[in-house]
Amino acid sequence: NAGVTQTPKFQVLKTGQSMTLQCAQDMNHEYMSWYRQDPGMGLRLIHYSVGAGITDQGEVPNGYNVSRSTTEDFPLRLLSAAPSQTSVYFCASGDQVNSPLHFGNGTRLTVT
Amino acid sequence: RKEVEQDPGPFNVPEGATVAFNCTYSNSASQSFFWYRQDCRKEPKLLMSVYSSGNEDGRFTAQLNRASQYISLLIRDSKLSDSATYLCAVTRMDSSYKLIFGSGTRLLVRP
Repeated sequence: NAGVTQTPKFQVLKTGQSMTLQCAQDMNHEYMSWYRQDPGMGLRLIHYSVGAGITDQGEVPNGYNVSRSTTEDFPLRLLSAAPSQTSVYFCASGDQVNSPLHFGNGTRLTVT
Repeated sequence: RKEVEQDPGPFNVPEGATVAFNCTYSNSASQSFFWYRQDCRKEPKLLMSVYSSGNEDGRFTAQLNRASQYISLLIRDSKLSDSATYLCAVTRMDSSYKLIFGSGTRLLVRP
């Protein structure tokens, strides 16, 4: 049982480039979310989804897009990378929004 | 003001000590509460959910005070392996469905 799988583990982008962070879960969880973690800021919610076809904004959505075409996958797209998006990104899933979350291993993104 | 606030620490305690962390939340619509543990450069992992009546799991005790809007985590008989960052998380379920985290409290247990 793989749980929550994030790819890539590391990525370096130049300012203005776009990319997609992948997240997949095999636990049939309805709820999925993306967080970013910066020193001293804790985990901040970017976007979340309560089921396939349903997404909504979190605390810091600007500069990011998401889609949820299947229950399993919840990719995060950076439209035009900026140095302020340098961070560690975590994808997480849970049975429901008020259930404990299972986190992926994280993606360390650096934007130069 | 942040919606979920924690003392960043670090709390530096000797092995065997008892240590307590608090976490305050500002939104009265908060419904579910959790403590997560995060080791350096790793993903957060659930430590325990927090129930209204309080709950215990071995050396760990969690409590919820809805009137004062805070949750607490008590660790008894601290072990070296307890050194980590402890994150509280609160689910808001009004017009949205968000799990909001505090910034975390760092614990260092020394020999």
